[in-house]
Amino acid sequence: GQNIDQPTEMTATEGAIVQINCTYQTSGFNGLFWYQQHAGEAPTFLSYNVLDGLEEKGRFSSFLSRSKGYSYLLLKELQMKDSASYLCAVSTTGGYNKLIFGAGTRLAVHP
Amino acid sequence: GAGVSQSPRYKVAKRGQDVALRCDPISGHVSLFWYQQALGQGPEFLTYFQNEAQLDKSGLPSDRFFAERPEGSVSTLKIQRTQQEDSAVYLCASSVGGARADTQYFGPGTRLTVL
Repeated sequence: GQNIDQPTEMTATEGAIVQINCTYQTSGFNGLFWYQQHAGEAPTFLSYNVLDGLEEKGRFSSFLSRSKGYSYLLLKELQMKDSASYLCAVSTTGGYNKLIFGAGTRLAVHP
Repeated sequence: GAGVSQSPRYKVAKRGQDVALRCDPISGHVSLFWYQQALGQGPEFLTYFQNEAQLDKSGLPSDRFFAERPEGSVSTLKIQRTQQEDSAVYLCASSVGGARADTQYFGPGTRLTVL
């Protein structure tokens, strides 16, 4: 079966750092994606990890441990505009990029 | 256009009506995906096209759902005899190729409400 777990909601303060965790159990694994989705808008791509380790991109970093079925998204220097849902998605098939999504983590950033 | 577009953005249907949702992918993108997103949930895979070929329709909930991409560009998702449980946001995404690491670019979605 396919199972992707992430916290439902998180809150943080502007300027702080927040870590959003994602654990997965899937029948296949070809990489893990993080997307950001503001209410009523399209998901937008943040990061992709296929090898173990940390990928850094500006204020956002993403980490993957394949042996533990675990990833996290790290957001630094939080801004009010970072208030959104963050979706963890695993690419599961060998031939094309079929994504299995978690339910998303709603992040609220407060002043 | 620069991104994926979908129309209509909002659709209200009476139970039992048929609806058609349109997706215009990024020009030249080979792969096209449809997802269904219920309120407060992540997107769920419905179907996948590589050019005009529908290679995976394993996520379509019932035979009331039908998708096509006849010329390998624009795609239409059709839902026949809509039911209340079909109420959701329907997202379309496209990617440049079919490779595993290809980023999918999403459209804004069509919010379907079935009364």
